[in-house]
Amino acid sequence: VLLVESGGAVVQPGGSLRLSCAASGFTFDDNAMHWVRQAPGKGLEWISLITWDGDATYYADSVKGRFTISRDNSKNSLYLQMNSLRTEDTALYYCAKSTSANYFGYLDYWGQGTLVTVSS
Amino acid sequence: SYELIQSPSVSVSPGQTARITCSGDAFPKKYVYWYQQKSGQAPVVVIYEDSKRPSRIPERFSGSSSGTQATLTISGAQVEDEADYYCYSTDSSGNVFGGGTKLTVL
Repeated sequence: VLLVESGGAVVQPGGSLRLSCAASGFTFDDNAMHWVRQAPGKGLEWISLITWDGDATYYADSVKGRFTISRDNSKNSLYLQMNSLRTEDTALYYCAKSTSANYFGYLDYWGQGTLVTVSS
Repeated sequence: SYELIQSPSVSVSPGQTARITCSGDAFPKKYVYWYQQKSGQAPVVVIYEDSKRPSRIPERFSGSSSGTQATLTISGAQVEDEADYYCYSTDSSGNVFGGGTKLTVL
């Protein structure tokens, strides 16, 4: 299993960014996928989940209404569209594979993360 | 919202037993998972479904859950076990990580 995130950058407050996660080594449309972030020197924060078929999405309160998770099973790819970015969104963003196709399960494989810095 | 509470730090000498706890109101009904994160690396699951250990994880790692508290035990901790440890659980109100516990082995 290999997960490779990309798209991290320095962006101004209020700006937008789209992260991608390329997946390989497993049948991508068998599993739900997560995004998790980690601010510098801080703990892990779960932020979003999408079911195997993309029909259901879930968000942490901290990003609800600003971030959108999506996937393209034909491209084995996961995405995170981030709008109205705030300085507190500065973090390393990980994508992770779920053991389940739907909501319940746990994160068994992680990428190495992509860094998002929100600063003026 | 759902919360998991961990002690910030635990310190043991090599060969001693380290116990890291995680408190959560939903534990009697929901599984807890434990992740190890070494400096500069992505997290790795060391315990799943309260007490199951992935085959690649050393036997000195074990997990238990009773009432509203889950415990990760490292029997005979090694210097290479020094890391941050996070509990994780899923509830209908959300997925959540604990705040993390820094384990020092020296």
